Amino acid sequence: AQSVTQPDIHITVSEGASLELRCNYSYGATPYLFWYVQSPGQGLQLLLKYFSGDTLVQGIKGFEAEFKRSQSSFNLRKPSVHWSDAAEYFCAVASSGNTGKLIFGQGTTLQVKP
Amino acid sequence: EAGVVQSPRYKIIEKKQPVAFWCNPISGHNTLYWYRQNLGQGPELLIRYENEEAVDDSQLPKDRFSAERLKGVDSTLKIQPAELGDSAVYLCASRSRRRNEQYFGPGTRLTVT
Repeated sequence: AQSVTQPDIHITVSEGASLELRCNYSYGATPYLFWYVQSPGQGLQLLLKYFSGDTLVQGIKGFEAEFKRSQSSFNLRKPSVHWSDAAEYFCAVASSGNTGKLIFGQGTTLQVKP
Repeated sequence: EAGVVQSPRYKIIEKKQPVAFWCNPISGHNTLYWYRQNLGQGPELLIRYENEEAVDDSQLPKDRFSAERLKGVDSTLKIQPAELGDSAVYLCASRSRRRNEQYFGPGTRLTVT
């Protein structure tokens, strides 16, 4: 069965510092991978996605993620965090079929210190 | 392009009462999803529609939950009767088949007292 694990429930970084959020997935075939961000009281906004091709994908708001098949990982990174990045981040996996059904991790809450 | 619209944004009801949530997806999106997000968790799929047909409702608690998508556009999710454990955020999403991306609405936060 497909599953997603986000090992870090809560992360605190200083503004301007670099960020890496971890995501590990379990899926037998080639997965479709996504990162979403959710601000308090808001819906989920897509940051980036990986379907195939270049394993380093660029997203919105200066985020990037790297797909590593050997490690079953899809970690999200940002070189310099802004206070507005404080939010909850969700990694998700979908089958490569056409259902679009997403399996989400439990999320990582990012706190940014001034 | 307008996003996914949901209403109400917040709902507080007593247990055993009925409640309904409404969703208007992005125009042209044939696929619509309802998710439930418990506090501190990621969203979990309840039901998926392709046009007006429910094609994946395996996670929907059918004894108390029902959903419909008449005419393949708007959708309503209903709970009757509500239980304390139904307190959660209910998210609606629609999918662009061309881009294979899901777009989420702001959600309805349900509190059952």
